[in-house]
Amino acid sequence: QSALTQPASVSGSPGQSITISCTGTSSDVGGYNYVSWYQQHPGKAPKLMIYDVSKRPSGVSNRFSGSKSGNTASLTISGLQAEDEADYYCSSYTSSSTWVFGGGTKLTVL
Amino acid sequence: QVQLQESGPGLVKPSETLSLTCAVSGYSISSGYYWGWIRQPPGKGLEWIGSIYHSGSTYYNPSLKSRVTISVDTSKNQFSLKLSSVTAADTAVYYCARHHRGFDYWGQGTLVTVSS
Repeated sequence: QSALTQPASVSGSPGQSITISCTGTSSDVGGYNYVSWYQQHPGKAPKLMIYDVSKRPSGVSNRFSGSKSGNTASLTISGLQAEDEADYYCSSYTSSSTWVFGGGTKLTVL
Repeated sequence: QVQLQESGPGLVKPSETLSLTCAVSGYSISSGYYWGWIRQPPGKGLEWIGSIYHSGSTYYNPSLKSRVTISVDTSKNQFSLKLSSVTAADTAVYYCARHHRGFDYWGQGTLVTVSS
């Protein structure tokens, strides 16, 4: 199975909004509403930020939101803060009853 | 509070079998959810290795399927990973995690280096 496609890097200034895309196929992202997003700081385990495309786990800031259109899912972070600087990964369930991650996106807060 | 903790050798020789265990506390594995293994080579992205459902059904990454076995021991509330015929390309931080529609609880990760 191929990894989902994410931009290698994105950047934004404090207070701005950024969007990270995650492109798959009709066999994964486009076929199921089981897309999730993870934040990973250096040396730490990933943290679930969004599941089921747009749902936030308890305790995750409402500055984080998710959406999907066709085979592409998106993570939007509004009111960018220095602490948001991290790597972000998307993941999706697939038609083969497997899970696949994206290649990851490095977010830099300028 | 659900907690997961990986354990196992940090150094494995090429061609041998990598074996890791994930001990779960705060939740009974047999109660539900999928229990999975994910790895991350140094400086690279996340790769799903495979998962086991609480019922015992297993699901593996097709690219690793021939070398991977995941099992569960409900009496000890833990699950395990075996990856055979390892090479340097299998050097990574290995995470265990609970998941259903998202991987919601993760272990801290354990670095496994494949080297002679």
